[in-house]
This record gives sequence, structure tokens and C-alpha cells, in this order.
Amino acid sequence: GNSVTQMEGPVTLSEEAFLTINCTYTATGYPSLFWYVQYPGEGLQLLLKATKADDKGSNKGFEATYRKETTSFHLEKGSVQVSDSAVYFCALTPGTSYGKLTFGQGTILTVHP
Amino acid sequence: GAVVSQHPSWVICKSGTSVKIECRSLDFQATTMFWYRQFPKQSLMLMATSNEGSKATYEQGVEKDKFLINHASLTLSTLTVTSAHPEDSSFYICSARDTQGGYGYTFGSGTRLTVV
Repeated sequence: GNSVTQMEGPVTLSEEAFLTINCTYTATGYPSLFWYVQYPGEGLQLLLKATKADDKGSNKGFEATYRKETTSFHLEKGSVQVSDSAVYFCALTPGTSYGKLTFGQGTILTVHP
Repeated sequence: GAVVSQHPSWVICKSGTSVKIECRSLDFQATTMFWYRQFPKQSLMLMATSNEGSKATYEQGVEKDKFLINHASLTLSTLTVTSAHPEDSSFYICSARDTQGGYGYTFGSGTRLTVV
């Protein structure tokens, strides 16, 4: 079956530090990959997505590249802000038909001033 | 963009009572909605998938008689937790699939249920 593995958290950084949250996946075929962000007490918001190999999703300074050879979709940001503190979820769905989402376990990010 | 409105945002109820959670797609037609449960500091667990006008498909281990899902229209899906018990206390999140607008999945803001 499909699965998503994220790096263990929590991650604590100082403002303006570089962020990487690792995400690897197991899936048949060519899944679509997503990063979602969840702020305290809220639902999930789509941060970025990629639907085919070598695609780079980007939004609000965050980036992730769909690497089929390493089955990875690592999230990066060059300079984090306190407002980036949240829980980040990597997820996949089979193909591009928007079937069921499979989530990683989530990574808590805390950014200090 | 696509918006899903989920209500209530929080609810406290007594053991044995039922609670209804609503999710509405405000500016698109949601033919499919997903219902998730999230425990503190954990990932989302898919409970069921509902398609407009048909019975919901429940994930293994989810009691369909306890978690009643209705998706009677293209813009409204409801989750009713029947005869709630303290172990049902959790954060429930809905998600609607919007393939027409290209947004994919849009999530509600979640409902914090506390059963006392």
C-alpha cells in the first residue's frame, strides 16, 4: 500500500534559519505529492503540490521537488519566520485523480525570535 | 479559492448524547467529502469517504453506526457522533474534493469535540 514517512520532530529553529523537513514515500505508479500546514486549532491548508517527477512546488518561500529516483519530496525554506511555526504534513494521492490522501505523521516546527 | 465551512468549531456534550458536525462547500460543488479524526500531536486518520447521494464508505475499524455520515447535497456533508463517550473526544476535520477548480482538496477548520 501507499505510505508517507516524515522526519521525526519536533524541529526548533531560530528566525532566519534554513529549514528542511524530509519526506519519503512508497507508492505504485506516479502519485501526486502535497505539503499541508496546520496552525494550532485549525484545519489543514495546502502549502504546495507536485504532480509529476521533477516538478517543483513552491509557495510563500517554501519549496519541494518531486524526486522519483529517491521517492522523496523534502520541504525547504531558506529563511524561516516565527509565523511559520506550525505542523507540516507530507501527503500523497495515487495519480492525479484526487483519491484518498495518505498522510505522513506530521512534523512540528517551532521558530524562535 | 475553494472554501469549506465547518461548524461548530468546538462542542462539549454529555456522554450518551449525539453531536452533529456540518461541512459546507461555499463556492464549489463537492461530489466527494472525506472525514478525518486527529488525536493530539498525531496525524490525520481517515474515517470515511462520502459521495453525494450515496452511502459513505468507512475505513476499517470505524463504526458506521456510531459515526453517521450524510452527504445529501453537493454542498453539504454531515457527521453525527451518536451516543458519544469520552473516548470519542477528538478533533474532527472534513475535506472536500474540488476537481473542477483545480484546488484538489480543501479542508474545513476542524471541530474540537469534548465528551464529558
